[in-house]
Amino acid sequence: GEDVEQSLFLSVREGDSSVINCTYTDSSSTYLYWYKQEPGAGLQLLTYIFSNMDMKQDQRLTVLLNKKDKHLSLRIADTQTGDSAIYFCAETLNYGGSQGNLIFGKGTKLSVKP
Amino acid sequence: NAGVTQTPKFQVLKTGQSMTLQCAQDMNHEYMSWYRQDPGMGLRLIHYSVGAGITDQGEVPNGYNVSRSTTEDFPLRLLSAAPSQTSVYFCASSTSEVSYEQYFGPGTRLTVT
Repeated sequence: GEDVEQSLFLSVREGDSSVINCTYTDSSSTYLYWYKQEPGAGLQLLTYIFSNMDMKQDQRLTVLLNKKDKHLSLRIADTQTGDSAIYFCAETLNYGGSQGNLIFGKGTKLSVKP
Repeated sequence: NAGVTQTPKFQVLKTGQSMTLQCAQDMNHEYMSWYRQDPGMGLRLIHYSVGAGITDQGEVPNGYNVSRSTTEDFPLRLLSAAPSQTSVYFCASSTSEVSYEQYFGPGTRLTVT
């Protein structure tokens, strides 16, 4: 079945780059996503990448997709204390024929030290 | 435009009680879904709806019912609460099944004792 794997914790110093990695299993996923969850809050879509792309850059965020290895990464440049949150990787879950559902990884808790 | 709203924010139930978690969106989105988030488990899909009058089960539907009588509302009913249903529940919506952008509500934290 589909599964999304992420490391659970990442700690970086303010100003450094953060790289959060994810592996997924469903090669038919149309989109792959990164969501951010701050403490006590809902999920906020950070960025997404279409499956026919290798890379997407959006300001401080760079998403790399390696379809052969089914590996997705999120790089945050110049990490700030406000980036401290849990980051979820997600792929489209083709459940019951619907492509609108998502399967999430367990989340990577990013801690940014001043 | 309030986006996706959920009520209540917090709820404590006793085992065996029933209740309804409310979810509403004012973006005219056809697609809505419910997820639960448990520590160390990520989010798991409970039920979803592709439009008014149409619902279907997700990965973990047991113990929950949904209905979709209007485009705006997608309530989640717990029929007989169990401690295993202690979780944070998120509602999400998007313009269509294949929309790349799903909007999440702020969540309802439910504790069943």
